[in-house]
Amino acid sequence: AQKITQTQPGMFVQEKEAVTLDCTYDTSDPSYGLFWYKQPSSGEMIFLIYQGSYDQQNATEGRYSLNFQKARKSANLVISASQLGDSAMYFCAMRELYMDTGRRALTFGSGTRLQVQP
Amino acid sequence: DTEVTQTPKHLVMGMTNKKSLKCEQHMGHRAMYWYKQKAKKPPELMFVYSYEKLSINESVPSRFSPECPNSSLLNLHLHALQPEDSALYLCASSQEEVGRVTEAFFGQGTRLTVV
Repeated sequence: AQKITQTQPGMFVQEKEAVTLDCTYDTSDPSYGLFWYKQPSSGEMIFLIYQGSYDQQNATEGRYSLNFQKARKSANLVISASQLGDSAMYFCAMRELYMDTGRRALTFGSGTRLQVQP
Repeated sequence: DTEVTQTPKHLVMGMTNKKSLKCEQHMGHRAMYWYKQKAKKPPELMFVYSYEKLSINESVPSRFSPECPNSSLLNLHLHALQPEDSALYLCASSQEEVGRVTEAFFGQGTRLTVV
């Protein structure tokens, strides 16, 4: 079963506007982490922001903020003041206990391709 | 230093070749990962090493053989690959702490083409 769901395959936003990328998740692990990564066409995965399951406040990192609604199991990424360089693929990921191994690993959603228009 | 270094960046190999992908980090992370990413798809977990021991193998074919010679290095040995194994191979590392979830840092990846 899909554990991380990103329902927006592609998004367009005008330069300088804000955009929200959606992410919902499913887990029975009480201690988990939610992450957003940016992947430009070059292929590198760039860490943007992290939210822990026990964190009381929404995470923020510069122009990035994470709208964490635990009861709804959603962790949407908000990018304020979009820039042309923000055009990339964005992945939501969850780090949780992996099956019965006692170890944690990241699983990724299908991604959202964001295009910032001038 | 928050860098994970992967070499080579690009690799073209024949189906009878043997090659290795290398990954290095000096952040003191004790968990290291290999992911495979096909075009227009999310990364898929292949292997996880924790304290230099293989802890997760996602039913990866034996033509992929991981190795963790020390806490800073992770290799992926390739032998008798198929064209469908062509993909971006990403290495990542993270801290390994009981009860604490931390971010994973990724390398730039190796773009592998099997001909």
